Amino acid sequence: DIQLTQSPSSLSASVRDRVTITCRASQDIGKFLNWYQQKPGKAPKLLIYDASNLETGVPSRFSGSGSGTDFSFTITSLQPEDIATYYCQHYDTLRITFGQGTRLEIK
Amino acid sequence: QLQLQESGPGLVKPSETLSLTCSVSGGSINSSSDYWGWIRQPPGKGLEWIGSIYYSGSTYYNPSLESRVTISVDTSKSQFSLKLRSVTAADTAVYYCARIDTGYADMDVWGQGTTVTVSS
Repeated sequence: DIQLTQSPSSLSASVRDRVTITCRASQDIGKFLNWYQQKPGKAPKLLIYDASNLETGVPSRFSGSGSGTDFSFTITSLQPEDIATYYCQHYDTLRITFGQGTRLEIK
Repeated sequence: QLQLQESGPGLVKPSETLSLTCSVSGGSINSSSDYWGWIRQPPGKGLEWIGSIYYSGSTYYNPSLESRVTISVDTSKSQFSLKLRSVTAADTAVYYCARIDTGYADMDVWGQGTTVTVSS
């Protein structure tokens, strides 16, 4: 089974900072990687699909890149409302796997 | 606009069966481009995929839960359901239902989630 490892597990940054989260797959997964944002007490929200495609309505400060085993998720200018936990997610042979999450806090 | 809503008991006794239903509105559960899935999140922990179902009834389960899980679909009611047998305290979680795109397996529509506590 494919494992997804996110780093860091938690991150503290200042408003307007550039923030990057990485997700490493245990084997080549092409571009089959999605990113979600989850705020406390809320359902996850899809931000990026297929590694780099921005979901409709998601602000352009969010972006994703990568392929194969190494992926990154970037917020170019952190806003207070971006405080959340972020998850990567992969789909393989009809099974879905999530990364363990990265908790993002404001410094 | 597609909406999903989970429903079911919030408290289940150990060793019993957890049963939840997800009602789909504002769209068709018969869509050939969608799967329907269940995901859970124990308190303070990350997301865990439980399983998915296609409108035809084809199912796909997390291997770690497969022996205890059944997901079914009732297209006439626009609902799909989760049954998790022999529950323990470790099954206490927020349970979400979600639409899963068959192309990229992204989950773009989620229910609000329902908290299920396993306790006597």
